Amino acid sequence: AQSVTQLGSHVSVSEGALVLLRCNYSSSVPPYLFWYVQYPNQGLQLLLKYTTGATLVKGINGFEAEFKKSETSFHLTKPSAHMSDAAEYFCAVSDRGGANNLFFGTGTRLTVIP
Amino acid sequence: GAGVSQSPRYKVTKRGQDVTLRCDPISSHATLYWYQQALGQGPEFLTYFNYEAQPDKSGLPSDRFSAERPEGSISTLTIQRTEQRDSAMYRCASGLLGGADTGELFFGEGSRLTVL
Repeated sequence: AQSVTQLGSHVSVSEGALVLLRCNYSSSVPPYLFWYVQYPNQGLQLLLKYTTGATLVKGINGFEAEFKKSETSFHLTKPSAHMSDAAEYFCAVSDRGGANNLFFGTGTRLTVIP
Repeated sequence: GAGVSQSPRYKVTKRGQDVTLRCDPISSHATLYWYQQALGQGPEFLTYFNYEAQPDKSGLPSDRFSAERPEGSISTLTIQRTEQRDSAMYRCASGLLGGADTGELFFGEGSRLTVL
């Protein structure tokens, strides 16, 4: 069975500082991996995804994530936080070749301090 | 349509009443998913459709919950005899079927249900 663990339900960083949001997954085979962002009063929006190929994937708004099979991790990073990055971030996995149902982590709320 | 549309955005109801939530997916998308998101949690799978077929409804918490997609486009989620524990955000998402890009789902803004 798929499962996703996001360490830290709340993360605070200063504007301009590095953003690191952690995600570990549990799966019998490497799944598809996703990061979604939820801004206040909006739907979930895809930030980036890993399906195959290069393990470092770049997404929107300067975010990137690296798939590390040996660590079963898919941590999200951004070199320099911006005030507009304040939101809730969800890591998710889905089965390869399956019904593309997503299994979500519990989310990490990012606060950016001016 | 251009995006996934859900209605109503907010619904407040009294315990014991029935509620129906609606989802209008992206028109080219074959798959449609319903998720329930409790406060402070991530979305949890309820059920999904491939066009009008409903291959998996294992996430529905009880027989009070049902979903339909009779013509393979618009879907409804109905909760009968609502209970306070049903209070949550209900999210609909749609996606393409098959191919290397499977797995990406497009979400609506959600319907927030409050049961008093």
